[in-house]
Amino acid sequence: AQTVTQSQPEMSVQEAETVTLSCTYDTSESDYYLFWYKQPPSRQMILVIRQEAYKQQNATENRFSVNFQKAAKSFSLKISDSQLGDAAMYFCAYRGVGTNAGKSTFGDGTTLTVKP
Amino acid sequence: ETGVTQTPRHLVMGMTNKKSLKCEQHLGHNAMYWYKQSAKKPLELMFVYSLEERVENNSVPSRFSPECPNSSHLFLHLHTLQPEDSALYLCASSHYGTGNSPLHFGNGTRLTVT
Repeated sequence: AQTVTQSQPEMSVQEAETVTLSCTYDTSESDYYLFWYKQPPSRQMILVIRQEAYKQQNATENRFSVNFQKAAKSFSLKISDSQLGDAAMYFCAYRGVGTNAGKSTFGDGTTLTVKP
Repeated sequence: ETGVTQTPRHLVMGMTNKKSLKCEQHLGHNAMYWYKQSAKKPLELMFVYSLEERVENNSVPSRFSPECPNSSHLFLHLHTLQPEDSALYLCASSHYGTGNSPLHFGNGTRLTVT
């Protein structure tokens, strides 16, 4: 079974600075997808960024980028120029392909605080 | 209205009550999910429906009963719950079988069992 580990329960960053949230996972599959979701205090979980395992290029979405290290099974999220609105809980998630595509495995989450 | 909508936002019920949570998606997805989010615990997948058929049931107690009448609507019927069932219940939808299809979540229902 796949597992996802987020080793940082809480992180804080100064506004306009850069922060990196870590995520490691365990799988025996060679093809899969990885996601970062954000859950602000308003509760609605939204997609931040996704990465396809067969793509070596790291995904980027505006101020958000990932460092995907397939051999190390690591998938960290970097937030550049942090803004107050980035304060939220961030979840790393793994999703397989084929018959395993219906189920996502989530990490425990990292609560990010942004200091003004 | 677009996205995934859940009602009610908050629910307080006694252990002998029967209530239902409702979820509706307007994204054209063919799969819907129920997740339980408790404090200090990871998201727990409860049920998955694909094309109105239940494809996954993660050992959820029978006091939780899902219903998916069509691909746009999902219900979670609750009866004789326990205080430990108090949690945030999240509904999500996606394209089933497409690994890169992210989950789209609703705002959740905050359930308190007294």
